[in-house]
Parts: sequence; structure tokens; C-alpha cells
Amino acid sequence: SQTIHQWPATLVQPVGSPLSLECTVEGTSNPNLYWYRQAAGRGLQLLFYSVGIGQISSEVPQNLSASRPQDRQFILSSKKLLLSDSGFYLCAWSTKRGYNEQFFGPGTRLTVL
Amino acid sequence: KNQVEQSPQSLIILEGKNCTLQCNYTVSPFSNLRWYKQDTGRGPVSLTIMTFSENTKSNGRYTATLDADTKQSSLHITASQLSDSASYICVVSASTGTYKYIFGTGTRLKVLA
Repeated sequence: SQTIHQWPATLVQPVGSPLSLECTVEGTSNPNLYWYRQAAGRGLQLLFYSVGIGQISSEVPQNLSASRPQDRQFILSSKKLLLSDSGFYLCAWSTKRGYNEQFFGPGTRLTVL
Repeated sequence: KNQVEQSPQSLIILEGKNCTLQCNYTVSPFSNLRWYKQDTGRGPVSLTIMTFSENTKSNGRYTATLDADTKQSSLHITASQLSDSASYICVVSASTGTYKYIFGTGTRLKVLA
């Protein structure tokens, strides 16, 4: 069966510090990968998606970047965090066939102070 | 513009009661519609997925309906339990080939003993 991991689960960082969130998927190959941010009481906002190694599409201009160094690894980064980067970050994967159903990771709660 | 709207925004019911959550969408071309359950601080978990030709789908005490003509879906929860307290998110996938998922802002359900 497939599983998706995210870490860390929670993170408190000062403004201006760097960020690295990691997501890995097990039990599948060549998945589509996604990074979402969920602000308190609001819907999920798609930040990045990737259809393959080194292929990253950005949905909104922002202070964040993403990389996919391996088939089942997706990394969300920032060089200098802003207060507005606080939120709940979710990684997800989907197949490239069928319904393209998405499966979400457990999430990372980021607080920027 | 592709949009997914959910109602009500929040709902409080007593344990054992039934409830129905609504989802209206304007997504074209339509591919499929999913309902997710998201516990506080966790990633969303899929409850049901329906394509254009499916009118209803059940998953235990959860029953989803889809009216593709009116572009409406509902999620009915039977005999609610305390563990049903969560946010319920409606997600519509557009068959654009770019793996676009349009998320509703969710309905926050609270089940009281």
C-alpha cells in the first residue's frame, strides 16, 4: 500500500530564517506531487505541483520554492520566511491515470514569529 | 471561473442525528468530485469519489450524491458519532490535463454528546 510522509510535524521559525519541509511517498512510482497551504479556517491553496523529477509548476508567486530531486521526494523551501508564511502545509500525491485521486500527508504546522 | 462553494460553513448537531452538507460547483470540463474528511491538525482523508455518470456513492454512514445537471453534490451523514466532528471538504477535478483540483472551503461539523 502507498504511504506519504511529511516532516517535521510542527515547526516554529523566526522571520527571516530559512525553511525546508520534506515529503516522501512510498509504494508507488512516478506520482504527481503537490504542496498546499491551508490558512486557519480557509480552503487549501495549491502552491506547487510536479509531474516528474525536476519538473515544478508554481501556481502563485510567493516567497517559497519547491524541488523534486527524486521520484518520490518533494521539498518545500524558503530562503527567508515571512510572517505570512505561517500556516498548515500539506503534501499530496496522485496517480497519472484513472481518477487522479489525491492522497494527503499528515501536514506540517508552521508558525513564523 | 472554476469555483466550489460549500454550505453551511459550520454545523452543530447532537450525537445520533443525521445531517446533510451541500456543495455547488462551477467547474468545466468536469471530471470527478470528491468528499474529504479533515480532522483538526491532520491531512484530509478521502470519503467518496464520483464521476459524471454516478449519482450516489456510499462509504459506511456517509452517502454522497451528485447531480451533474444542476452541478450540486451533497454528503449525508447518518447516525452521527462524536468522531464525525471534523471539516468536510468538497473537491472538484477539472479534466484539463493539468491536474487541477478546485477545493471548497469546507463545512466544519461539531457533533455533541
